[in-house]
Amino acid sequence: RKEVEQDPGPFNVPEGATVAFNCTYSNSASQSFFWYRQDCRKEPKLLMSVYSSGNEDGRFTAQLNRASQYISLLIRDSKLSDSATYLCVVSSGGSYIPTFGRGTSLIVHP
Amino acid sequence: EAGVTQSPTHLIKTRGQQATLRCSPISGHTSVYWYQQALGLGLQFLLWYDEGEERNRGNFPPRFSGRQFPNYSSELNVNALELEDSALYLCASSTRDRGEETQYFGPGTRLLVL
Repeated sequence: RKEVEQDPGPFNVPEGATVAFNCTYSNSASQSFFWYRQDCRKEPKLLMSVYSSGNEDGRFTAQLNRASQYISLLIRDSKLSDSATYLCVVSSGGSYIPTFGRGTSLIVHP
Repeated sequence: EAGVTQSPTHLIKTRGQQATLRCSPISGHTSVYWYQQALGLGLQFLLWYDEGEERNRGNFPPRFSGRQFPNYSSELNVNALELEDSALYLCASSTRDRGEETQYFGPGTRLLVL
């Protein structure tokens, strides 16, 4: 089983749609969780950290479920500019080496 | 505040040659990570430097090496280049806040091995 797994997609949605991505991780000792966004041929950029209590940043909501070992990202009212690959990142506190998922591709069309 | 910078942006080499990639972290960040992202693949962890020391390395052969300088900038060296080394090489610097580490990436160096 891969350490961090994501559905590669692509998720093809119209503008204004709500879309959700899930990511599962295998290391129960994982302590830090993030979502990054990567545009085509660009570097990954931090979108948001993920906390057990859940966190929201505008149209983006991230949730962590430690019992089931998955994190989720919800995007409401999708914009064309949301088209990108979304990377799930998990790290255990001791090693500080994050493990990246292979990413989920989102395409928002008019 | 300046972000992570990397040079060169593009590098073309032939098999057997050596490549040197450079990274300058965000001011105040002492940790530098190197990743390889081959076309269509996820980020693969290469090396982690902190306070001038190599702290961990990923599952890559010894011909991938590097160092971190006193000013926390870093170099990645790839010896005896192979065709499959062609990839985007990303550097990230990080800081720890309340025990949580967040990484910020540079724009990367695209290495093409012919």
